[in-house]
Amino acid sequence: DTGVSQDPRHKITKRGQNVTFRCDPISEHNRLYWYRQTLGQGPEFLTYFQNEAQLEKSRLLSDRFSAERPKGSFSTLEIQRTEQGDSAMYLCASSYSLQVTDTQYFGPGTRLTVL
Amino acid sequence: KQEVTQIPAALSVPEGENLVLNCSFTDSAIYNLQWFRQDPGKGLTSLLLIQSSQREQTSGRLNASLDKSSGRSTLYIAASQPGDSATYLCAVTSANSNYQLIWGAGTKLIIKP
Repeated sequence: DTGVSQDPRHKITKRGQNVTFRCDPISEHNRLYWYRQTLGQGPEFLTYFQNEAQLEKSRLLSDRFSAERPKGSFSTLEIQRTEQGDSAMYLCASSYSLQVTDTQYFGPGTRLTVL
Repeated sequence: KQEVTQIPAALSVPEGENLVLNCSFTDSAIYNLQWFRQDPGKGLTSLLLIQSSQREQTSGRLNASLDKSSGRSTLYIAASQPGDSATYLCAVTSANSNYQLIWGAGTKLIIKP
């Protein structure tokens, strides 16, 4: 098992453009999380999936953000009409758990820079 | 609303010293607390998880303690090595936050050879 992978690792875009990030979780993990982290801060929860169902979305996730996890495997996070304030590291994590909490395994992140 | 604070934001110590990192949280009704390590470009790695009913957890040179009533946790690193240099973050889960991780901003640790 190679762990959680994210693609791309870095993305530079111009304000107003759309971007899409991909996360491939550890196989057979039923939960998948997206976080956003800005410099010098801890991660902020964005959303999470249990299998293909999106169970929770943070208020941070404006209508410009959308996440999918078709077939309960990989996930994509799309940001439409990017703004400079969207510049951050976007982290994906996965876990296998039937409990209310779990041990999450993190990917290396996608660093987004909006010019 | 749960808030997690880590002080100091940065710490530099000579190799071989024992050190303590601090984490405090405002709502003591937590489910568990975790310590993570973050290396540049390599994401986050879970180090230790302490359930609310536990007082401490140990893994190798690491020992994490939890005092839920006072809203504090410490991460003790024994005999520090340059390879321990990283940012250390703590995070808590509670029913009040729908069991999502609420994170501190981290302590950046530098071990000088």
